[in-house]
Formats: sequence, structure tokens, C-alpha cells
Amino acid sequence: GAVVSQHPSRVICKSGTSVKIECRSLDFQATTMFWYRQFPKQSLMLMATSNEGSKATYEQGVEKDKFLINHASLTLSTLTVTSAHPEDSSFYICSAYDGTGSQPQHFGDGTRLSIL
Amino acid sequence: QKEVEQNSGPLSVPEGAIASLNCTYSDRGSQSFFWYRQYSGKSPELIMSIYSNGDKEDGRFTAQLNKASQYVSLLIRDSQPSDSATYLCAVVGGYSTLTFGKGTMLLVSP
Repeated sequence: GAVVSQHPSRVICKSGTSVKIECRSLDFQATTMFWYRQFPKQSLMLMATSNEGSKATYEQGVEKDKFLINHASLTLSTLTVTSAHPEDSSFYICSAYDGTGSQPQHFGDGTRLSIL
Repeated sequence: QKEVEQNSGPLSVPEGAIASLNCTYSDRGSQSFFWYRQYSGKSPELIMSIYSNGDKEDGRFTAQLNKASQYVSLLIRDSQPSDSATYLCAVVGGYSTLTFGKGTMLLVSP
């Protein structure tokens, strides 16, 4: 149980393109979802926390107008990287909290974003 | 600001040896601690959780917690080449957020 599906797994696109990444909890309701970014040889850095039906809370230094997060239902959150540039190339990972405490978060498989 | 510190490694051990991974954290009020394994290009996978001082064993893995010293460790017995990965220490904060260390790369040679 507690599966989180993240799509797409890999995106390669031109600079200036907007890219949407979806994160779905398949067998549980996720009141809270998290978005992380991981650069090569670095740790996961929390970008934002999203709660269903409310605005996301962004970490310091993360541009909310560039990284748009929508959590419209208890099973779906999306991250849109607007007007992506090469410096946005990274590994983006979502996770979801099921509220039971069995695990702090369940992780998706990640999205490798490459901006040319 | 909460911080989690780990030696980046790599930690190299021969197959069959014990690998010892260490982590310190800055927030003395932290209560929940986790070890994740991350293979290259993959997302983290939870391998151990620990909440109380002392040792917790699960198969070849033993997590150790010392809250007075703000120190968490992970021991891997009988290390296998398939254990080669980056091991991330994580601490739970408010609203179930996780603060990760930078990770220690473990290399197990056959």
C-alpha cells in the first residue's frame, strides 16, 4: 500500500518551456504533499509543502511564481516549472503524507528535468 | 534552522564487513529519525526509523540513537555490493516535514 505515482519520469525540453509534473497518491488520501529538488551529489531540498485546497507554503529562496503548485484534490498535486531555464535542470521528487504516522512521507519515483 | 550533518564519504568497505554511517542533528527537540537509501537516479527508500534512545534492529540493519549527544547512526552488517548507495539521514520537523542530511555514499566492494 501507500503508493505515490509521479509523472513524467523524464522531461527534456527547450529553454522557456513550461513543464508540469504530476504527483498522485494511488491508494490513500494525502492531505499534505511535498515537493523536493535534488541537484547532483546534493541532498533533497524541500521546495514547498502543499495542503489540499489551500495555497502551498514555499521554502525560503524558492520562487513561488516560477514553481506553481496546485493541490486540488486529496490524491493529486502538480508542480509547474514556468519558463524553465537550464539552471532549473534537476531531479524533482514529490512525496505524500498519509496521516497515519507509519512513515513520515511516501515518495514518488522522481522526475529528471533537463532544460536545453 | 534545523540542520542534519553527515560525512559525504565515500565510505568503502569490503563485502561481508560492517558499514557504520553517522549523523548529527542540531534541533535538540527532534523526536523522530529516519534512514533512507537512495540509489543513483532514484528516489529515497525508507529503511529504518527510530524514535527512542538505544538500538533498533531490523535484519542486517541496526539504527542507534543518542538524543543527549544528538547523534544517530546506522550499522549494516554483512555488507553486500547491492548495499552500495547513498544513505540519507532525516529528521522530522513540524507538519511532517523532513530535513535531510547530504547523505553518505557507501561503496561495498566484492
